[in-house]
Amino acid sequence: GEQVEQRPPHLSVREGDSAVITCTYTDPNSYYFFWYKQEPGASLQLLMKVFSSTEINEGQGFTVLLNKKDKRLSLNLTAAHPGDSAAYFCAVRATGYQNFYFGKGTSLTVIP
Amino acid sequence: GALVYQYPRRTICKSGTSMRMECQAVGFQATSVAWYRQSPQKTFELIALSTVNSAIKYEQNFTQEKFPISHPNLSFSSMTVLNAYLEDRGLYLCGARGTGGDQDTQYFGPGTRLLVL
Repeated sequence: GEQVEQRPPHLSVREGDSAVITCTYTDPNSYYFFWYKQEPGASLQLLMKVFSSTEINEGQGFTVLLNKKDKRLSLNLTAAHPGDSAAYFCAVRATGYQNFYFGKGTSLTVIP
Repeated sequence: GALVYQYPRRTICKSGTSMRMECQAVGFQATSVAWYRQSPQKTFELIALSTVNSAIKYEQNFTQEKFPISHPNLSFSSMTVLNAYLEDRGLYLCGARGTGGDQDTQYFGPGTRLLVL
């Protein structure tokens, strides 16, 4: 089955710096990619959904890059602020499959 | 929009007893509901996936005998943790996906936090 590896498990950056979280996956049939944010004590909030056909996706304050050749998905927070401090999870799903496969998460701390 | 509610938000049960948690989808039809457990170390474990008109599929290390699930309609699912012990503690999340919303995305409820004494 699909294996999703997420790095780093912990990340600490200063306010205004960028933060990059990366996931690699194994199933070449993976088609849908998701980034979720989980604030302390809260559930998962969908940040962005990415289709296999699009390599660069921009959200508010972040960019998601998909490299299908290397089977790598990354989340780049361009200018982190303390409100970005949370756990971030990537998730992957293949077309026709119901299961979402999650990375183990990255705990991001943004220091003011 | 698509919303998922879970009840209760937090529960404490004595070791060896059972507790039931519920998941409700609002604003879309939940054709599939996945139940996850998030450990204190934050990793997610998929417990089972329930799809309407299909058998509930349990992941390795999880069984119907321990985590019976009901998915009677397109807006509701429940799961019971039978004979709960310390290793069952954690945050139980339901993720629902279906028609009427973005059918590619799994929407999560706020979770039910289970503490076992």
